[in-house]
Amino acid sequence: GQQLNQSPQSMFIQEGEDVSMNCTSSSIFNTWLWYKQDPGEGPVLLIALYKAGELTSNGRLTAQFGITRKDSFLNISASIPSDVGIYFCAGQLSGATNKLIFGTGTLLAVQP
Amino acid sequence: NAGVMQNPRHLVRRRGQEARLRCSPMKGHSHVYWYRQLPEEGLKFMVYLQKENIIDESGMPKERFSAEFPKEGPSILRIQQVVRGDSAAYFCASSPRQVGTGELFFGEGSRLTVL
Repeated sequence: GQQLNQSPQSMFIQEGEDVSMNCTSSSIFNTWLWYKQDPGEGPVLLIALYKAGELTSNGRLTAQFGITRKDSFLNISASIPSDVGIYFCAGQLSGATNKLIFGTGTLLAVQP
Repeated sequence: NAGVMQNPRHLVRRRGQEARLRCSPMKGHSHVYWYRQLPEEGLKFMVYLQKENIIDESGMPKERFSAEFPKEGPSILRIQQVVRGDSAAYFCASSPRQVGTGELFFGEGSRLTVL
């Protein structure tokens, strides 16, 4: 089935640093979304992108929908300890349902 | 203003027993998705249901797994004769409509451990 490849798999950074992660696919997506999962919890939506080339911000988070519609990027600026968690990209293949395909995840650890 | 509610949060079963996981969607949402997350992995789609209908079950294993979303009450994911490989976190998500923004709202998950 479809798979989204996320990189890097994990990141260990100092508080205050900026972070970048990306997601690529062999398929074209209608919508790209970024979720964050804290330990023992369910994923929480961070940002949703609906158009190729779109750049959207949510506080310190910025995400882009790639022009080819096969990739997306998430940047976190000035990281803080509560940014720790696993970040997942997700793509909506078609407009027929809200079914999402998830990426493999990026584990972020922030050293205070 | 409750979110998606799942129970139990943790469930332990011995091989061969049955596991039942329940999901109540957000108020006003009539579309439910079930995902499975194995340790150290991403979420894998299992099934999408509307009230009383299974819309897409392309991610469901062919045997032992079933799902329902009755007219009244929560959605149920049922795993019969569990095996160790069924140990995972099972997440339910809901949305208010079939076709929309792709935004799903997730519950906190049910963690199944098979001994």
